[in-house]
Amino acid sequence: KQEVTQIPAALSVPEGENLVLNCSFTDSAIYNLQWFRQDPGKGLTSLLLIQSSQREQTSGRLNASLDKSSGRSTLYIAASQPGDSATYLCAVMNSGYSTLTFGKGTMLLVSP
Amino acid sequence: KAGVTQTPRYLIKTRGQQVTLSCSPISGHRSVSWYQQTPGQGLQFLFEYFSETQRNKGNFPGRFSGRQFSNSRSEMNVSTLELGDSALYLCASSLAGGRDGYTFGSGTRLTVV
Repeated sequence: KQEVTQIPAALSVPEGENLVLNCSFTDSAIYNLQWFRQDPGKGLTSLLLIQSSQREQTSGRLNASLDKSSGRSTLYIAASQPGDSATYLCAVMNSGYSTLTFGKGTMLLVSP
Repeated sequence: KAGVTQTPRYLIKTRGQQVTLSCSPISGHRSVSWYQQTPGQGLQFLFEYFSETQRNKGNFPGRFSGRQFSNSRSEMNVSTLELGDSALYLCASSLAGGRDGYTFGSGTRLTVV
């Protein structure tokens, strides 16, 4: 059974810092991995999708990497801003399935 | 293009009642999945539909059911509501069964009193 862990559970940083969020998964037989952002009480916004054959994806100040063999992904946020404050969720889709297994998320607070 | 639309946004129901939630996927998407989000359990998979067929079902009691219509719109139903069913219910759609990633709706917040 796939298990996804996100570390840290919460993170508080001053504006302008570069930061790294971590995601690990127990079963390396994944099809893809997706990073989401969730604002309080809202739905999920997709940030980046990495296919199992890819090593990384970039979108603006965000960069996500994937090391499938070691069961790890990182989300790098450059020059953080208060608007980045949200919960960040990592989800994997296993090969042969179409369902997502989510981590519990990292709650990020960026202070001005 | 329009995103995933979930209605209603908020619901308050009494224990023992039943409830129906609706989800309209992105135009052209035939895969619709439902997830329950609670503070304690996080996001848990409920079920997935593709072209009106349930392809996968999560580990939830039979009180939770769903269906998908020919236009890909989906509904989920919860009967005999319990206090523990209070949660944010999220619907997601995909063009290619998740291979292209999922787009989520804003969710329906269900409160059972």
